[in-house]
Amino acid sequence: EAGVVQSPRYKIIEKKQPVAFWCNPISGHNTLYWYLQNLGQGPELLIRYENEEAVDDSQLPKDRFSAERLKGVDSTLKIQPAELGDSAVYLCASSSGLELSEQFFGPGTRLTVL
Amino acid sequence: GNSVTQMEGPVTLSEEAFLTINCTYTATGYPSLFWYVQYPGEGLQLLLKATKADDKGSNKGFEATYRKETTSFHLEKGSVQVSDSAVYFCALSTSGSSGDKLTFGTGTRLAVRP
Repeated sequence: EAGVVQSPRYKIIEKKQPVAFWCNPISGHNTLYWYLQNLGQGPELLIRYENEEAVDDSQLPKDRFSAERLKGVDSTLKIQPAELGDSAVYLCASSSGLELSEQFFGPGTRLTVL
Repeated sequence: GNSVTQMEGPVTLSEEAFLTINCTYTATGYPSLFWYVQYPGEGLQLLLKATKADDKGSNKGFEATYRKETTSFHLEKGSVQVSDSAVYFCALSTSGSSGDKLTFGTGTRLAVRP
């Protein structure tokens, strides 16, 4: 069974540029999460989807971050414009919802903003 | 609010040594507790979990017991191997309006020497 797929794995951009990350969850998983992981820290939830609905986006900085999950499968997280402080690893995870909180994580996208 | 505190790393051990990584938590309600592991270049993987007090989670020789009286979930392994070198994250999840949102500790890096 394929795991959570994320792309790109690495991205280097200059500040004020836009950037987008893509996530394909495990087939059949209705719940999708985007986390931010700063260096030396644990992941922090940005947004959680149940199918195509964002049910928890309280930690998403909406002035520059946006996300979508069209058709309730793949998801895209966008930053526009990027700032130096956005340099981090962006993790995507998915779960079936059948068992509490067993989330499966992708390898992440490491973003460097210069 | 919910929080997880785990011992700072890095922890450096020789092969076959005994491992303990401390984790304590603060939470409202009755959380489920987890240990995730992140091997170099890979996504987080669920290592073990416990959903109620006195439960013991175990996997791959690792164990952790949910201690409600001390609000702890310490990770132990009797004999570590070089292949156990990774970053270990303690996490909790509570039910309710936040659903199965995971709150992570900052991670503990383990390095095992041959």
